[in-house]
Amino acid sequence: EDQVTQSPEALRLQEGESSSLNCSYTVSGLRGLFWYRQDPGKGPEFLFTLYSAGEEKEKERLKATLTKKESFLHITAPKPEDSATYLCAVQGNNDMRFGAGTRLTVKP
Amino acid sequence: DGGITQSPKYLFRKEGQNVTLSCEQNLNHDAMYWYRQDPGQGLRLIYYSQIVNDFQKGDIAEGYSVSREKKESFPLTVTSAQKNPTAFYLCASSIRDTNTDTQYFGPGTRLTVL
Repeated sequence: EDQVTQSPEALRLQEGESSSLNCSYTVSGLRGLFWYRQDPGKGPEFLFTLYSAGEEKEKERLKATLTKKESFLHITAPKPEDSATYLCAVQGNNDMRFGAGTRLTVKP
Repeated sequence: DGGITQSPKYLFRKEGQNVTLSCEQNLNHDAMYWYRQDPGQGLRLIYYSQIVNDFQKGDIAEGYSVSREKKESFPLTVTSAQKNPTAFYLCASSIRDTNTDTQYFGPGTRLTVL
């Protein structure tokens, strides 16, 4: 069965303190790995799609990377406005599976 | 502006009542989805529809029903048979890009059973 595990569950950073969020997955026939940002009480906002191992994508302070077993979302010099829950999802041959998310808090 | 709208934002239901959550999209996407989000869990798929007048059950369809009479609309009914309906409900639509289906989400409806 396809599975997605995100770690850590919660992460607290000081403004400017870079770090990474992890998304480990098992899937039959990876078609895409997705990262979303979700603010409290709102719907997830699409960030990136990664299609194959070795691929990287960047947007402002965020950089997503992909291997055959996991994806990392690197946050460089975060700001308080980066505080949110970050969701990872994988699409395989069967369906789409979502992780439970990592709740990021960036303190000024 | 293109996007997905959900209404209402908040909904309160008494036990034994059916309620319907609205989802509309003007993105011209063929596929639409309903998810349920509970604290500490990943999004769970309730129903999805890849084309008008057709839909399939997801992982947790019991106690829910849907219809897809128009491409733009995919309403979800939470019936009295759903044992624990209090949750945050998210509607999404997708477009196929090469071999993947990138999903875009609406703002959500928070349902509370009183």
